[in-house]
Amino acid sequence: KQEVTQIPAALSVPEGENLVLNCSFTDSAIYNLQWFRQDPGKGLTSLLLIQSSQREQTSGRLNASLDKSSGRSTLYIAASQPGDSATYLCAVDNTDKLIFGTGTRLQVFP
Amino acid sequence: GAGVSQSPSNKVTEKGKDVELRCDPISGHTALYWYRQRLGQGLEFLIYFQGNSAPDKSGLPSDRFSAERTGESVSTLTIQRTQQEDSAVYLCASSLARTGRQKLFFGSGTQLSVL
Repeated sequence: KQEVTQIPAALSVPEGENLVLNCSFTDSAIYNLQWFRQDPGKGLTSLLLIQSSQREQTSGRLNASLDKSSGRSTLYIAASQPGDSATYLCAVDNTDKLIFGTGTRLQVFP
Repeated sequence: GAGVSQSPSNKVTEKGKDVELRCDPISGHTALYWYRQRLGQGLEFLIYFQGNSAPDKSGLPSDRFSAERTGESVSTLTIQRTQQEDSAVYLCASSLARTGRQKLFFGSGTQLSVL
């Protein structure tokens, strides 16, 4: 059974810091891994999708890496801003459905 | 439509009543998913549709839960004889095809409260 873990569970940092959010999964036979952002009272927004054959994806200040063999992914946020405050979820797809981690709750203060 | 639409946004019901939750996916998206998120917890997979058929119902927690999809469009999640443990946010998502290659787009969810 696929299990997804995210560390840390919560993070509070001052504006401008570079951040690393971690995601690990137990079954490496995945199709892809996605990172999402969830704002309070809202649904999830897909940030980055990494196919199993890829090692990283970049979008603006966000960079996600994937090491499938070791069951790990990292989301790197450069020059964090207060608007980045949200819960970040990683999810892996290995059976036509996404299995989610419990998220990292990020707060960036001015 | 422009995005995935869910209704109602909030639903308060009494224990033992039946509820129906609706999801309108993005037009043309063949794959549709239902997830549940209890307070302070992660997303729990419920059911997946490819077109109008549901290849994977493994996440439905009990036979009180059912879902259908018609016209490869709208989906309804029905919970019969609701219990307090059913209280959660129910999220719907759609994608162009199987998630193996496509991003998932989520609605804003239905907050269900069972009193």
